[in-house]
Amino acid sequence: DTGVSQDPRHKITKRGQNVTFRCDPISEHNRLYWYRQTLGQGPEFLTYFQNEAQLEKSRLLSDRFSAERPKGSFSTLEIQRTEQGDSAMYLCASSGTTGRIYEQYFGPGTRLTVT
Amino acid sequence: AQTVTQSQPEMSVQEAETVTLSCTYDTSESDYYLFWYKQPPSRQMILVIRQEAYKQQNATENRFSVNFQKAAKSFSLKISDSQLGDAAMYFCAYRSARNSGGSNYKLTFGKGTLLTVNP
Repeated sequence: DTGVSQDPRHKITKRGQNVTFRCDPISEHNRLYWYRQTLGQGPEFLTYFQNEAQLEKSRLLSDRFSAERPKGSFSTLEIQRTEQGDSAMYLCASSGTTGRIYEQYFGPGTRLTVT
Repeated sequence: AQTVTQSQPEMSVQEAETVTLSCTYDTSESDYYLFWYKQPPSRQMILVIRQEAYKQQNATENRFSVNFQKAAKSFSLKISDSQLGDAAMYFCAYRSARNSGGSNYKLTFGKGTLLTVNP
């Protein structure tokens, strides 16, 4: 069990640029979640995948955001035309379908700074 | 919609002492899960302890224990024999127990409590 990994750990970009983040869940986990955490706040849910299907999207996920999980393995989160308000920590989590399926395990996050 | 409130933005404790972090939540559901997560500075979020709402017995994990008061919708975390490594942001989180519909799987977090451990 290598845990949830995310890449990159830090990203600095200029306003208007596109960015893409990657998340690799725990290998046997079929559920994957994206959260956003701004300074001084708890994480807020963005979207959820079960295998390759995106089953839920938060209102926070504007049209500039898109997430994919091809083949039900890793996931990518893309932000188009970034804005300063997109600056945040983007967290990925995964959970399984056996045992304590309600427990989510988090990756280290990708810290995005939009200048 | 469920909400989670952590009323203590910051707490401090002396090393080896005991500290209690507060959490209240609001829900109309009867079955759910509650969690405490720890987020050390610049490090990833770690699950500390979990509580199933249908269980009356309070969960315990080594030096960490909870006081779950379902009627009062309260879920506090007690850390005994505090260690320097306990210093972190602590988040209380809620998850519905319903296993249908993606929105039931998400965690709803409080704003967190920053715990400082003084040597």
